[in-house]
Amino acid sequence: DSGVTQTPKHLITATGQRVTLRCSPRSGDLSVYWYQQSLDQGLQFLIQYYNGEERAKGNILERFSAQQFPDLHSELNLSSLELGDSALYFCASSASRNTGELFFGEGSRLTVL
Amino acid sequence: GIQVEQSPPDLILQEGANSTLRCNFSDSVNNLQWFHQNPWGQLINLFYIPSGTKQNGRLSATTVATERYSLLYISSSQTTDSGVYFCAVDSRSGNTPLVFGKGTRLSVIA
Repeated sequence: DSGVTQTPKHLITATGQRVTLRCSPRSGDLSVYWYQQSLDQGLQFLIQYYNGEERAKGNILERFSAQQFPDLHSELNLSSLELGDSALYFCASSASRNTGELFFGEGSRLTVL
Repeated sequence: GIQVEQSPPDLILQEGANSTLRCNFSDSVNNLQWFHQNPWGQLINLFYIPSGTKQNGRLSATTVATERYSLLYISSSQTTDSGVYFCAVDSRSGNTPLVFGKGTRLSVIA
């Protein structure tokens, strides 16, 4: 158990819909990262928050947004979903602002039909 | 950005065999981690090893930072070792989070 909690574990929805994925970091970790793993793209970095502020941005679509709340949990919002958004979405946390050792949650598997 | 190459892409082993997985990277790194993704999709931390050598049971890892590569050794492999092994690094020269290689898919057969 990495100490990073993600919900839901599985989600099935239709094209055009909007979903929210939630992540609670390890106790004491201030950084939260979101990654997307799809079959053809591998593990891709989406976005990082550190203590509530956006720290780094990767290949995150404009239809996607994220935030980190004062209690340090984070949410990833995916809207106007397309078939290609079907993927495993991972949250990771670290103690450091500048990466450090990352610990990953079990992921949220999103299927868009 | 930093490039990460893993080899071999696929590996099939008989139970009990040993193996070496390689990770090459294109820039100096602050962080290098090895992960195991099991058949259920979970990403499990194996090693945090930006330099030096570490061992954990049947697994060990060595990173030679000056030559920009890392090796993961699996000894006496078991069927539970099956899955995909990822190397991930972050570049010392930029504000980049972990960049993952494409992984090595390991199948251990009884």
